Amino acid sequence: AQSVTQLDSQVPVFEEAPVELRCNYSSSVSVYLFWYVQYPNQGLQLLLKYLSGSTLVKGINGFEAEFNKSQTSFHLRKPSVHISDTAEYFCAVTHLNQAGTALIFGKGTTLSVSS
Amino acid sequence: SQTIHQWPATLVQPVGSPLSLECTVEGTSNPNLYWYRQAAGRGLQLLFYSVGIGQISSEVPQNLSASRPQDRQFILSSKKLLLSDSGFYLCAWRGTGYTEAFFGQGTRLTVV
Repeated sequence: AQSVTQLDSQVPVFEEAPVELRCNYSSSVSVYLFWYVQYPNQGLQLLLKYLSGSTLVKGINGFEAEFNKSQTSFHLRKPSVHISDTAEYFCAVTHLNQAGTALIFGKGTTLSVSS
Repeated sequence: SQTIHQWPATLVQPVGSPLSLECTVEGTSNPNLYWYRQAAGRGLQLLFYSVGIGQISSEVPQNLSASRPQDRQFILSSKKLLLSDSGFYLCAWRGTGYTEAFFGQGTRLTVV
């Protein structure tokens, strides 16, 4: 079975500081990995995804993530955050191309950016 | 382009009342459809998924049920709501050629 662990439930940072949101996954088969962002009372929006190939994935809003197979990690980073990045971030995993397989999510990390 | 509609956006219901939340997808055929529930501090819990009309798989035992009467329609129901059913409910879909899931705007359900 797959599982996702987001190691930090809350991450407070100051504006223009770098940030890393940590994600570890567990799976016995090859997976796809995702990061989503959720603003208050809204649905989830895809930030980026890892399918194969280069382990460094770039997404929207200046975010990037690095897939590390040996450490089963997929940490999200941004070199300089803005107030508008304040939101909840979810890491997710799913099997490759298995019909009906849903994305399994971590419990989320709340990023709070202050001035 | 594909869009997903979920309604209502907010709902306040008394304990013991019925529930019906609806989700529809446009611009795609035969999508995989999902219902998730989000409770504070618990992330997104997969409730149901469907790979086709009338095909429903339940992930966790609970007071809720799901139905898929049409290809692009997914309904979440309950006959009698419990206080513990309160939460933020999200519908999502995945389709052929897409690896990620696309989410609706969610329904905030408060059971009082």
